[in-house]
Amino acid sequence: EAGVVQSPRYKIIEKKQPVAFWCNPISGHNTLYWYRQNLGQGPELLIRYENEEAVDDSQLPKDRFSAERLKGVDSTLKIQPAELGDSAVYLCASSSNPTGSGETQYFGPGTRLLVL
Amino acid sequence: GEDVEQSLFLSVREGDSSVINCTYTDSSSTYLYWYKQEPGAGLQLLTYIFSNMDMKQDQRLTVLLNKKDKHLSLRIADTQTGDSAIYFCAEAEGAAGNKLTFGGGTRVLVKP
Repeated sequence: EAGVVQSPRYKIIEKKQPVAFWCNPISGHNTLYWYRQNLGQGPELLIRYENEEAVDDSQLPKDRFSAERLKGVDSTLKIQPAELGDSAVYLCASSSNPTGSGETQYFGPGTRLLVL
Repeated sequence: GEDVEQSLFLSVREGDSSVINCTYTDSSSTYLYWYKQEPGAGLQLLTYIFSNMDMKQDQRLTVLLNKKDKHLSLRIADTQTGDSAIYFCAEAEGAAGNKLTFGGGTRVLVKP
């Protein structure tokens, strides 16, 4: 079974440019998460989707960040315009949230963003 | 608010046991997780424990939970060089456990 797929793996852009990340979750997983992981820190949740609905976007900086999951499967996270402080690894995760086993989230390899 | 804390670094000799500690603050957490992250990779789920348990063993891994002190630990028996990585603990909020809060990670270095 394929895991969570993310692309691109690496991205280098100049500040003020737009950038987009793509994520394809594990087949059948209804819940999709975007996290940001700064260097030397743990991941922090940006947004969580249940199917196509964003149910928790409280940590998403809405002035420059946007996300969509139009058909409830794959998802795109966009930053426009990017700032130097956006340099981080952006991780996508998915879960099926089966009853009684907790929220087992499976992570993709991440997209490493460097803003110059 | 929630805060999960871990020590930054652990060095251990190959074949010895490793113990990674974590403290959390949200007493309503239903599940607690341990993830492993190797260089350039995403997070790999190692194990998790439900909040009404105090111990869980899975092959070389033993998780201990002290709910009174909000302390979680991961013991790796017979540590191997392949265990060198960053280990994150995470707590899940609420009955459905939809929101994970991660610690800052413990970098484990296994010396031959």
